[in-house]
Amino acid sequence: QKEVEQDPGPLSVPEGAIVSLNCTYSNSAFQYFMWYRQYSRKGPELLMYTYSSGNKEDGRFTAQVDKSSKYISLFIRDSQPSDSATYLCAMSKGSNYKLTFGKGTLLTVNP
Amino acid sequence: GAVVSQHPSWVICKSGTSVKIECRSLDFQATTMFWYRQFPKQSLMLMATSNEGSKATYEQGVEKDKFLINHASLTLSTLTVTSAHPEDSSFYICSARVSGGYNEQFFGPGTRLTVL
Repeated sequence: QKEVEQDPGPLSVPEGAIVSLNCTYSNSAFQYFMWYRQYSRKGPELLMYTYSSGNKEDGRFTAQVDKSSKYISLFIRDSQPSDSATYLCAMSKGSNYKLTFGKGTLLTVNP
Repeated sequence: GAVVSQHPSWVICKSGTSVKIECRSLDFQATTMFWYRQFPKQSLMLMATSNEGSKATYEQGVEKDKFLINHASLTLSTLTVTSAHPEDSSFYICSARVSGGYNEQFFGPGTRLTVL
């Protein structure tokens, strides 16, 4: 079993839809959780960062962490064509530990 | 803030030559930088962790003599691919972790290496 599982998609939604992206993990030691957005042929861009369980909201983006279920989510409200990208979840055991990435989910928002 | 640059953005070289890629944190100090490799439609694979002033820590299966890493200052790390072969062709991305911060890593734009 891989440490981090993420459905690679592809996921295609109409503009304005609510998008739900998810990752599951097996290592209960993970404490820091991140979501990155990566456009084609570009480096990943940090979108959301959370520590331990709970929700965090930033504009149209909401990140949720459920450590009891080892499950994290990213919600995108009012999705836009510019949101079309690959979304990568990442997590680490502590502030000085390396990140473990999911495979990424390719999202397309159709106008 | 938190901008990371990479140079060059793309490079084509002949088999057997060496290529150096630079990674700079432009507006913050980074005690630790990371080097990743990404193949098409794959996730990022960590190659090594680079700490300023000390030797890099390589992931299992990554040849340290082939992928030379130098982190000489708090804002610059370099990756040198020595004696490059076509199978080294990939997208190389660096990231930097803010010194004294949490565990956010900020990524550079990547360098596409093609070895002929």
